[in-house]
Amino acid sequence: EADIYQTPRYLVIGTGKKITLECSQTMGHDKMYWYQQDPGMELHLIHYSYGVNSTEKGDLSSESTVSRIRTEHFPLTLESARPSHTSQYLCASSEKMTGPTPQFFGPGTRLTVL
Amino acid sequence: ELKVEQNPLFLSMQEGKNYTIYCNYSTTSDRLYWYRQDPGKSLESLFVLLSNGAVKQEGRLMASLDTKARLSTLHITAAVHDLSATYFCAVGITLTGANSKLTFGKGITLSVRP
Repeated sequence: EADIYQTPRYLVIGTGKKITLECSQTMGHDKMYWYQQDPGMELHLIHYSYGVNSTEKGDLSSESTVSRIRTEHFPLTLESARPSHTSQYLCASSEKMTGPTPQFFGPGTRLTVL
Repeated sequence: ELKVEQNPLFLSMQEGKNYTIYCNYSTTSDRLYWYRQDPGKSLESLFVLLSNGAVKQEGRLMASLDTKARLSTLHITAAVHDLSATYFCAVGITLTGANSKLTFGKGITLSVRP
């Protein structure tokens, strides 16, 4: 079944640790995105990719980094987690078509940094 | 810079009554999307509106788009408890070629009371 997956769903970690949030999609989409969402707030785009070896920073400055070595995989890494990184991180994907296309969202990773 | 405003930010609805919520945006757009988010969950796509005058209906929800006024409305007919959630609109713009982005509003939290 075509879907978008994120792991872990919940993560509690100490300050200074390196973490990688995983995102994979089996929808055959070229475009993938990472959003950060604080509770009760809007989504902010932090990274996006239009295809393999393509990554761009989004509207919201983030200390995280991403990579896109395979079409279906778009992991996000924090080299040194801080309490200010506590948030929900949502991964999304969409088709590569002319003009904006609907984005499909994964279940999210809720990160807490102590 | 594209700005997306939703109002009201919170709406307490009485079961069985009709309501309308709004999404305004500041620049010309290709498409407009409505998403639903339940507490602690990810986003679920509700509607994609592609052109001026577009109207989409699903159950008790009906979305419309007026590109000249840069306004989308989401009408709720005979509210029921299951509609309690946060509703985001997102406006799509084409950057270059097949590259595009979505800008989200802050979301409108709907709460249905008996």
